[in-house]
Amino acid sequence: AQTVTQSQPEMSVQEAETVTLSCTYDTSESDYYLFWYKQPPSRQMILVIRQEAYKQQNATENRFSVNFQKAAKSFSLKISDSQLGDAAMYFCAYRREGETSGSRLTFGEGTQLTVNP
Amino acid sequence: KAGVTQTPRYLIKTRGQQVTLSCSPISGHRSVSWYQQTPGQGLQFLFEYFSETQRNKGNFPGRFSGRQFSNSRSEMNVSTLELGDSALYLCASSWNNNIQYFGAGTRLSVL
Repeated sequence: AQTVTQSQPEMSVQEAETVTLSCTYDTSESDYYLFWYKQPPSRQMILVIRQEAYKQQNATENRFSVNFQKAAKSFSLKISDSQLGDAAMYFCAYRREGETSGSRLTFGEGTQLTVNP
Repeated sequence: KAGVTQTPRYLIKTRGQQVTLSCSPISGHRSVSWYQQTPGQGLQFLFEYFSETQRNKGNFPGRFSGRQFSNSRSEMNVSTLELGDSALYLCASSWNNNIQYFGAGTRLSVL
């Protein structure tokens, strides 16, 4: 079974600074997707960034980028120029590729990010 | 395009009762997944429906069931509610196993 581990229950960062959230996963599959979702106090889960395992290039979305290390099964999220609106719970998630696996996501425990003004 | 809509947003039930939650996916999305979120267990996958068929099922007791209609709307039912069923229930829809888009959730409190 696949597992996702986020070892940092809480992180804090100063506004405009950079912070990195860690995530490791365990799988025997070679084709899969990794995601970072953000859950603000409103509880609405919002996709931050997605990485396909077959792509060596790290995904980026504006101020958000990932460091994907497939051999080490590591998938960290870097937030640059942190803003107050980035404060939220961040979840790392895994999805196996393949028609029979469907859309099922396996989530990590989450990291609560605080942004200090 | 409208997002994923979950109703109701809040529910209060007592032990032993049953409850039905509803999820309307984004137009064109045929896959609907359900997740339970609690402080102790985190986010756990309940089940996924695709074209009215259950495609995946998580490790939950048979009290938890679901179905999907021909318009892709999905319902989740929990029978004989227990205190431990108190949680945020999230629904997500996707097109072609692609990115999952989540609704705002239904907060269920069991007294």
